[in-house]
Amino acid sequence: DSGVTQTPKHLITATGQRVTLRCSPRSGDLSVYWYQQSLDQGLQFLIQYYNGEERAKGNILERFSAQQFPDLHSELNLSSLELGDSALYFCASILLTGSGNTIYFGEGSWLTVV
Amino acid sequence: AQSVAQPEDQVNVAEGNPLTVKCTYSVSGNPYLFWYVQYPNRGLQFLLKYITGDNLVKGSYGFEAEFNKSQTSFHLKKPSALVSDSALYFCAVRSGSSASKIIFGSGTRLSIRP
Repeated sequence: DSGVTQTPKHLITATGQRVTLRCSPRSGDLSVYWYQQSLDQGLQFLIQYYNGEERAKGNILERFSAQQFPDLHSELNLSSLELGDSALYFCASILLTGSGNTIYFGEGSWLTVV
Repeated sequence: AQSVAQPEDQVNVAEGNPLTVKCTYSVSGNPYLFWYVQYPNRGLQFLLKYITGDNLVKGSYGFEAEFNKSQTSFHLKKPSALVSDSALYFCAVRSGSSASKIIFGSGTRLSIRP
C-alpha cells in the first residue's frame, strides 16, 4: 500500500459528461501529480500541484482541470468527455520537489467513456 | 530537455535466467533515477532509485540497477528471473535543476516463460 488513495476505482460515463477524480496524497506529502495511462501507452504527465499551487503542466487538455485543496487532497475534473478519454488516471504524491524523494502512486481510477 | 528512453518494448526471458531491462536518460544537472513496476490493473510500485553514491543500487524483489554516468544509463537487472516478475517496467528521471519534472520512459513489458 503506497498510502496514496484514489477514488473512484472504476467509473463508466457517457460522452459529453463531466467527472471528478479524487486523490488523497500520502500523509505529509505536499506535492501531487496526475498522469493518464491509455491502453498500451505509457504515462502521460498531466499536471502537478505543490502545496495548493499549480507547479507544472504537461499534456493536459483544456477540457481537463485540477486543483489541490488546503488539506492537500486533489481533484481532477474531466469535462465534455470523449471516447478517447477512456484511460487509467493515476495520482502520485511526493514530500518535496527538488530532491531525491520517491514519488508514490495510487492504484488509479479507471475511466470508461461510452 | 529531460528525456528517458526504454529502447525495448518487450523483453522475453526464461525463468532462472538473468534479465536486463534497459534505460537511458538525458538531463541537465545531476539525475535522480527510478524504476517502477506495474502489474496488470494496478498502480506503479516503486522498485529502487539512484540519488548519489554507489552506482549499484539494490531494490525490492531482488532487483538491482547500475548507474553509468558516462553511458547515461540505468539498466534494471536481476540475476535469476521468476515468472512472477512478468509485468510492465518503467524507468523515470528527475533532475535537481528542474525539480518539478518527473519524466517516465515508455515502459518495457517483461515476460518470463516457465
